[in-house]
Amino acid sequence: QKEVEQDPGPLSVPEGAIVSLNCTYSNSAFQYFMWYRQYSRKGPELLMYTYSSGNKEDGRFTAQVDKSSKYISLFIRDSQPSDSATYLCAILNGGATNKLIFGTGTLLAVQP
Amino acid sequence: EPEVTQTPSHQVTQMGQEVILRCVPISNHLYFYWYRQILGQKVEFLVSFYNNEISEKSEIFDDQFSVERPDGSNFTLKIRSTKLEDSAMYFCASSLPDRGFYEQYFGPGTRLTVT
Repeated sequence: QKEVEQDPGPLSVPEGAIVSLNCTYSNSAFQYFMWYRQYSRKGPELLMYTYSSGNKEDGRFTAQVDKSSKYISLFIRDSQPSDSATYLCAILNGGATNKLIFGTGTLLAVQP
Repeated sequence: EPEVTQTPSHQVTQMGQEVILRCVPISNHLYFYWYRQILGQKVEFLVSFYNNEISEKSEIFDDQFSVERPDGSNFTLKIRSTKLEDSAMYFCASSLPDRGFYEQYFGPGTRLTVT
Protein backbone atom coordinates (compact mmCIF):
# COMPACT_ATOMS: atom_id res chain seq x y z
CA GLN A 1 0.00 0.00 0.00
CA LYS A 2 1.33 3.42 -0.94
CA GLU A 3 2.08 5.76 1.97
CA VAL A 4 0.22 8.69 0.43
CA GLU A 5 -2.28 8.56 -2.40
CA GLN A 6 -3.68 11.51 -4.28
CA ASP A 7 -5.97 11.71 -7.28
CA PRO A 8 -3.83 13.23 -10.05
CA GLY A 9 -6.78 14.90 -11.78
CA PRO A 10 -6.80 17.01 -13.83
CA LEU A 11 -9.58 18.92 -12.16
CA SER A 12 -11.22 21.76 -14.07
CA VAL A 13 -13.62 24.17 -12.37
CA PRO A 14 -15.18 27.53 -13.24
CA GLU A 15 -13.99 30.65 -11.48
CA GLY A 16 -15.72 31.12 -8.14
CA ALA A 17 -16.29 27.41 -7.52
CA ILE A 18 -15.41 25.61 -4.31
CA VAL A 19 -12.60 23.15 -4.91
CA SER A 20 -12.01 20.02 -2.85
CA LEU A 21 -8.63 18.28 -3.07
CA ASN A 22 -7.98 15.07 -1.19
CA CYS A 23 -5.33 12.61 -0.09
CA THR A 24 -5.38 9.36 1.82
CA TYR A 25 -2.52 7.91 3.78
CA SER A 26 -1.71 4.53 5.21
CA ASN A 27 0.29 5.05 8.41
CA SER A 28 -1.63 6.14 11.49
CA ALA A 29 1.63 7.39 13.03
CA PHE A 30 1.75 10.35 10.66
CA GLN A 31 1.26 13.56 12.60
CA TYR A 32 1.80 16.58 10.34
CA PHE A 33 -0.08 17.22 7.16
CA MET A 34 0.95 19.86 4.66
CA TRP A 35 -0.39 21.28 1.45
CA TYR A 36 1.93 22.70 -1.15
CA ARG A 37 1.12 24.51 -4.37
CA GLN A 38 3.39 24.04 -7.37
CA TYR A 39 3.16 26.18 -10.46
CA SER A 40 4.54 24.77 -13.69
CA ARG A 41 8.34 24.44 -13.59
CA LYS A 42 8.56 25.99 -10.12
CA GLY A 43 9.31 24.67 -6.66
CA PRO A 44 6.60 23.60 -4.21
CA GLU A 45 5.25 26.51 -2.17
CA LEU A 46 3.99 25.78 1.34
CA LEU A 47 0.33 26.78 1.71
CA MET A 48 -0.47 25.48 5.16
CA TYR A 49 0.06 22.67 7.60
CA THR A 50 -2.10 20.94 10.20
CA TYR A 51 -1.05 18.96 13.20
CA SER A 52 -3.15 15.91 14.06
CA SER A 53 -6.89 16.09 13.41
CA GLY A 54 -9.08 19.11 12.83
CA ASN A 55 -9.46 22.09 10.56
CA LYS A 56 -7.26 25.04 9.81
CA GLU A 57 -8.31 28.07 7.81
CA ASP A 58 -6.19 30.65 6.01
CA GLY A 59 -8.12 33.08 3.86
CA ARG A 60 -9.85 31.15 1.08
CA PHE A 61 -8.05 27.92 2.01
CA THR A 62 -9.18 25.36 4.59
CA ALA A 63 -7.18 22.24 5.45
CA GLN A 64 -8.95 19.36 7.12
CA VAL A 65 -7.55 16.18 8.64
CA ASP A 66 -9.55 13.13 9.65
CA LYS A 67 -7.13 10.76 11.33
CA SER A 68 -9.78 8.13 11.97
CA SER A 69 -10.20 7.60 8.23
CA LYS A 70 -6.64 8.70 7.29
CA TYR A 71 -8.01 11.34 4.98
CA ILE A 72 -6.84 14.89 4.39
CA SER A 73 -8.51 17.61 2.37
CA LEU A 74 -7.86 21.09 1.08
CA PHE A 75 -10.82 23.30 0.25
CA ILE A 76 -10.45 26.42 -1.86
CA ARG A 77 -13.35 28.86 -1.73
CA ASP A 78 -14.09 31.38 -4.47
CA SER A 79 -11.45 29.83 -6.71
CA GLN A 80 -9.52 32.16 -9.01
CA PRO A 81 -7.64 31.52 -12.27
CA SER A 82 -4.45 32.29 -10.33
CA ASP A 83 -5.16 29.18 -8.23
CA SER A 84 -4.48 27.05 -11.30
CA ALA A 85 -1.53 24.87 -10.28
CA THR A 86 -0.65 21.42 -9.02
CA TYR A 87 -1.54 20.89 -5.36
CA LEU A 88 0.62 18.48 -3.42
CA CYS A 89 -0.25 16.95 -0.11
CA ALA A 90 2.72 16.05 2.06
CA ILE A 91 2.99 14.17 5.30
CA LEU A 92 5.56 14.16 8.06
CA ASN A 93 5.85 11.29 10.46
CA GLY A 94 7.11 13.45 13.28
CA GLY A 95 9.50 12.14 15.87
CA ALA A 96 13.06 11.78 14.65
CA THR A 97 12.36 11.80 10.93
CA ASN A 98 12.37 15.00 8.95
CA LYS A 99 11.48 13.79 5.48
CA LEU A 100 8.30 14.87 3.80
CA ILE A 101 6.34 12.20 1.97
CA PHE A 102 4.50 13.69 -0.98
CA GLY A 103 1.44 12.68 -2.90
CA THR A 104 1.54 12.69 -6.68
CA GLY A 105 -0.22 16.07 -6.85
CA THR A 106 -3.56 17.12 -8.33
CA LEU A 107 -3.53 19.43 -11.33
CA LEU A 108 -6.19 22.12 -10.93
CA ALA A 109 -7.38 24.45 -13.69
CA VAL A 110 -9.72 27.30 -12.78
CA GLN A 111 -11.45 28.56 -15.89
CA PRO A 112 -12.26 32.31 -16.07
CA GLU B 1 10.53 37.96 1.60
CA PRO B 2 13.53 35.63 2.03
CA GLU B 3 13.61 32.66 -0.30
CA VAL B 4 15.71 29.66 -1.20
CA THR B 5 17.70 30.13 -4.39
CA GLN B 6 19.23 27.48 -6.63
CA THR B 7 21.76 27.53 -9.45
CA PRO B 8 21.87 26.67 -12.24
CA SER B 9 18.24 26.55 -13.30
CA HIS B 10 19.07 23.96 -15.95
CA GLN B 11 22.11 21.70 -16.21
CA VAL B 12 22.82 19.40 -19.11
CA THR B 13 25.53 16.83 -18.64
CA GLN B 14 26.77 13.64 -20.22
CA MET B 15 26.41 10.28 -18.56
CA GLY B 16 29.33 9.55 -16.27
CA GLN B 17 30.14 13.20 -15.59
CA GLU B 18 30.10 14.82 -12.17
CA VAL B 19 27.64 17.59 -11.44
CA ILE B 20 27.30 19.96 -8.53
CA LEU B 21 23.97 21.60 -7.84
CA ARG B 22 24.03 24.68 -5.68
CA CYS B 23 21.58 26.14 -3.22
CA VAL B 24 21.48 29.15 -0.96
CA PRO B 25 19.02 28.39 1.87
CA ILE B 26 17.13 31.07 3.77
CA SER B 27 19.73 32.79 5.92
CA ASN B 28 18.57 31.92 9.44
CA HIS B 29 17.52 28.37 8.61
CA LEU B 30 19.56 25.53 10.01
CA TYR B 31 18.07 22.41 8.42
CA PHE B 32 18.69 21.77 4.74
CA TYR B 33 17.24 19.22 2.38
CA TRP B 34 17.42 17.90 -1.15
CA TYR B 35 14.44 16.40 -2.92
CA ARG B 36 14.02 15.36 -6.50
CA GLN B 37 11.11 15.01 -8.88
CA ILE B 38 11.41 12.81 -11.94
CA LEU B 39 9.10 14.06 -14.70
CA GLY B 40 5.54 12.98 -14.00
CA GLN B 41 6.40 11.44 -10.63
CA LYS B 42 6.23 12.40 -6.97
CA VAL B 43 8.60 14.70 -5.20
CA GLU B 44 10.98 12.34 -3.37
CA PHE B 45 13.18 12.99 -0.36
CA LEU B 46 16.90 12.48 -0.87
CA VAL B 47 18.71 13.80 2.20
CA SER B 48 18.57 16.15 5.15
CA PHE B 49 21.51 17.97 6.70
CA TYR B 50 22.01 19.66 10.04
CA ASN B 51 25.00 20.84 11.99
CA ASN B 52 27.38 19.89 9.17
CA GLU B 53 26.28 16.31 8.92
CA ILE B 54 23.65 14.19 7.25
CA SER B 55 20.73 13.64 9.60
CA GLU B 56 18.69 11.38 7.34
CA LYS B 57 18.94 9.95 3.84
CA SER B 58 16.78 7.85 1.57
CA GLU B 59 17.71 4.67 -0.25
CA ILE B 60 18.07 6.77 -3.40
CA PHE B 61 20.97 8.67 -1.82
CA ASP B 62 23.70 6.14 -2.49
CA ASP B 63 27.47 6.53 -2.70
CA GLN B 64 27.17 8.50 -5.93
CA PHE B 65 25.58 11.37 -4.02
CA SER B 66 27.14 13.70 -1.49
CA VAL B 67 26.18 16.96 0.17
CA GLU B 68 28.27 19.73 1.59
CA ARG B 69 27.94 23.10 3.24
CA PRO B 70 31.20 24.60 1.98
CA ASP B 71 30.64 27.99 3.62
CA GLY B 72 28.06 29.84 5.68
CA SER B 73 25.60 30.33 2.88
CA ASN B 74 25.81 27.58 0.26
CA PHE B 75 24.55 24.01 0.34
CA THR B 76 25.53 21.69 -2.49
CA LEU B 77 24.52 18.34 -3.91
CA LYS B 78 27.15 16.45 -5.88
CA ILE B 79 26.47 13.52 -8.14
CA ARG B 80 29.76 11.81 -8.88
CA SER B 81 28.99 9.84 -12.01
CA THR B 82 25.63 10.74 -13.47
CA LYS B 83 23.28 8.17 -14.95
CA LEU B 84 20.40 8.67 -17.35
CA GLU B 85 17.97 7.97 -14.52
CA ASP B 86 19.35 10.92 -12.54
CA SER B 87 17.53 13.23 -14.96
CA ALA B 88 15.03 15.09 -12.77
CA MET B 89 14.19 18.38 -11.08
CA TYR B 90 16.26 18.75 -7.93
CA PHE B 91 14.81 20.91 -5.20
CA CYS B 92 16.66 22.33 -2.23
CA ALA B 93 14.66 23.18 0.89
CA SER B 94 15.40 24.64 4.29
CA SER B 95 13.66 25.03 7.63
CA LEU B 96 14.06 26.58 11.05
CA PRO B 97 14.77 24.30 14.01
CA ASP B 98 12.01 25.77 16.17
CA ARG B 99 9.38 25.16 13.47
CA GLY B 100 10.05 21.47 13.47
CA PHE B 101 10.37 19.96 10.03
CA TYR B 102 6.90 20.75 8.78
CA GLU B 103 7.71 24.21 7.49
CA GLN B 104 10.13 23.36 4.75
CA TYR B 105 10.62 26.07 2.14
CA PHE B 106 11.61 25.00 -1.33
CA GLY B 107 13.73 26.64 -3.97
CA PRO B 108 12.73 26.87 -7.65
CA GLY B 109 14.71 23.78 -8.57
CA THR B 110 17.49 22.77 -10.95
CA ARG B 111 16.48 20.75 -13.97
CA LEU B 112 19.18 18.14 -14.55
CA THR B 113 19.28 16.49 -17.94
CA VAL B 114 21.68 13.58 -18.39
CA THR B 115 22.35 12.60 -22.00
